[in-house]
Amino acid sequence: NAGVMQNPRHLVRRRGQEARLRCSPMKGHSHVYWYRQLPEEGLKFMVYLQKENIIDESGMPKERFSAEFPKEGPSILRIQQVVRGDSAAYFCASSTGTGSYEQYFGPGTRLTVT
Amino acid sequence: EDQVTQSPEALRLQEGESSSLNCSYTVSGLRGLFWYRQDPGKGPEFLFTLYSAGEEKEKERLKATLTKKESFLHITAPKPEDSATYLCAVLPAGYSTLTFGKGTMLLVSP
Repeated sequence: NAGVMQNPRHLVRRRGQEARLRCSPMKGHSHVYWYRQLPEEGLKFMVYLQKENIIDESGMPKERFSAEFPKEGPSILRIQQVVRGDSAAYFCASSTGTGSYEQYFGPGTRLTVT
Repeated sequence: EDQVTQSPEALRLQEGESSSLNCSYTVSGLRGLFWYRQDPGKGPEFLFTLYSAGEEKEKERLKATLTKKESFLHITAPKPEDSATYLCAVLPAGYSTLTFGKGTMLLVSP
């Protein structure tokens, strides 16, 4: 039973470019969460999605960041016009969402902005 | 504002030297408390969920306990392979997303 999959594992972008991070949840999971981890700051919640719906985006920066989870295919976190401060590890987690609150994490995408 | 504080920030143990990690939390109501283990360069690995005060869960050398204000992760006779960062997270009542502490970095020396 495959776990949460994220790609790419490492992504290098120049300032001003776009970054697209992909996440495929565990089999049977329909809820996806995105977190950002900066050194010394811990994991910070960004956005919570179900298929075709954004449930909670309270942790998402208002500009340049967007997320989707289409009916078919992986969830995508998109960062437009990246800046050096966007350099971080981005983790995706998934859950069944039905009575169980346990979230299972992927290996993360490490974004470096040069 | 919901808060999660973990202590100590770092802990160095000798192999076989038992100890405990602390997670104190401030939430208006607790739906669940979660413990994860994170190795360098990897994603957090789920360990335990605790739902109510007095609850305990065990897995190999680890035991997690919960009170109304804090949780402890007890490590009995640790081995070098237990070295990792241990993360605590809370799920407040009425919410669907986790609030994480900054973690405790554990190093177990042979």
